[in-house]
Amino acid sequence: ILNVEQSPQSLHVQEGDSTNFTCSFPSSNFYALHWYRWETAKSPEALFVMTLNGDEKKKGRISATLNTKEGYSYLYIKGSQPEDSATYLCASSGSNYQLIWGAGTKLIIKP
Amino acid sequence: ETGVTQSPTHLIKTRGQQVTLRCSSQSGHNTVSWYQQALGQGPQFIFQYYREEENGRGNFPPRFSGLQFPNYSSELNVNALELDDSALYLCASSLPRTYEQYFGPGTRLTVT
Repeated sequence: ILNVEQSPQSLHVQEGDSTNFTCSFPSSNFYALHWYRWETAKSPEALFVMTLNGDEKKKGRISATLNTKEGYSYLYIKGSQPEDSATYLCASSGSNYQLIWGAGTKLIIKP
Repeated sequence: ETGVTQSPTHLIKTRGQQVTLRCSSQSGHNTVSWYQQALGQGPQFIFQYYREEENGRGNFPPRFSGLQFPNYSSELNVNALELDDSALYLCASSLPRTYEQYFGPGTRLTVT
């Protein structure tokens, strides 16, 4: 993998259901994997920064895992709520601390 | 603690013109990065400034230039605007040699 890739591109989820999506990144020169939540007309909001293989982080109903050996991260949302609707972006950073971004997963929660 | 701010919010320019976008960093952050996000794509790294010097650059032509000031605020200048420069421009500030970046709301540039 040469670029950061996210799937799916968009996702419609019923309120109350749980969901997850994927970020794939180059495993060479890897230093950190970032997840951001971005609502329309607002600033991207940092959710997690993970650096170690096997890292798992949790913030409320949202959690993330990291596999640096195979170059992927999963973001999980448990019991989706309308306020979870946003675009979720992941980014990989190397030794230069510069972020290489995926195109995002647009999550829409249906009431 | 104040967040990252950007100005203007929206801007319309004509092809060939020049534009300056501004960013004020979060208090205490001396590193600023600029990103361009075209419609339907993820942000693309333009360059980063640390202590008023360029500290890394992405795949953007020289007509994209920047400045960082002693108070750590920053400018992105784009000369000879092209239609493809239409995008959302984001700046993010951070502490040096840390991973977490704090973003402003962006400036939407439209080139006609």
